[in-house]
Amino acid sequence: AQRVTQPEKLLSVFKGAPVELKCNYSYSGSPELFWYVQYSRQRLQLLLRHISRESIKGFTADLNKGETSFHLKKPFAQEEDSAMYYCALNNAGNMLTFGGGTRLMVKP
Amino acid sequence: NAGVMQNPRHLVRRRGQEARLRCSPMKGHSHVYWYRQLPEEGLKFMVYLQKENIIDESGMPKERFSAEFPKEGPSILRIQQVVRGDSAAYFCASSPSPEPYEQYFGPGTRLTVT
Repeated sequence: AQRVTQPEKLLSVFKGAPVELKCNYSYSGSPELFWYVQYSRQRLQLLLRHISRESIKGFTADLNKGETSFHLKKPFAQEEDSAMYYCALNNAGNMLTFGGGTRLMVKP
Repeated sequence: NAGVMQNPRHLVRRRGQEARLRCSPMKGHSHVYWYRQLPEEGLKFMVYLQKENIIDESGMPKERFSAEFPKEGPSILRIQQVVRGDSAAYFCASSPSPEPYEQYFGPGTRLTVT
């Protein structure tokens, strides 16, 4: 069965510091991985997907199949990055399997 | 396009009552998904529906829970004889296609069972 693990419930950094939100998954096939973000009082929204290999709002994430990880990174955190971040996996079905989420707090 | 609408936003029910949660998908979206988020946990898939059809209900509890997406009107998630363990946030998402990355989420309904 597929599983997504985000080991940190809370990550607190200072503005301008690098950020890495960890995500590990377990799945035997070739998964599709996503990062979703939920800002305060807003809806859950897609941030990026591994297939597109884009950088969104300065965030990037690389799929490492050997380590079964999809960590989200940003070199210089901004206060407006403070939010809940969820890693999610699609197993070629229609459902998304979410991790437990990491709350990122960027302090001034 | 107003986005995915869910109502009510907050719902309080006593144990044994029924809870009805509504989800209006975005215009042009015929695929609806329901997820549940228990306190301190991530979202968990419950059910995937297209108009008038349940496509995948593998995440739905076998008893007391049902979902529908009629030809006209919103999708309904129905929980009969609620128990305290049903207290959670219930999120609906809709998409124009089966592609998971095209799911747009609603604001959620927070159900509290007293």
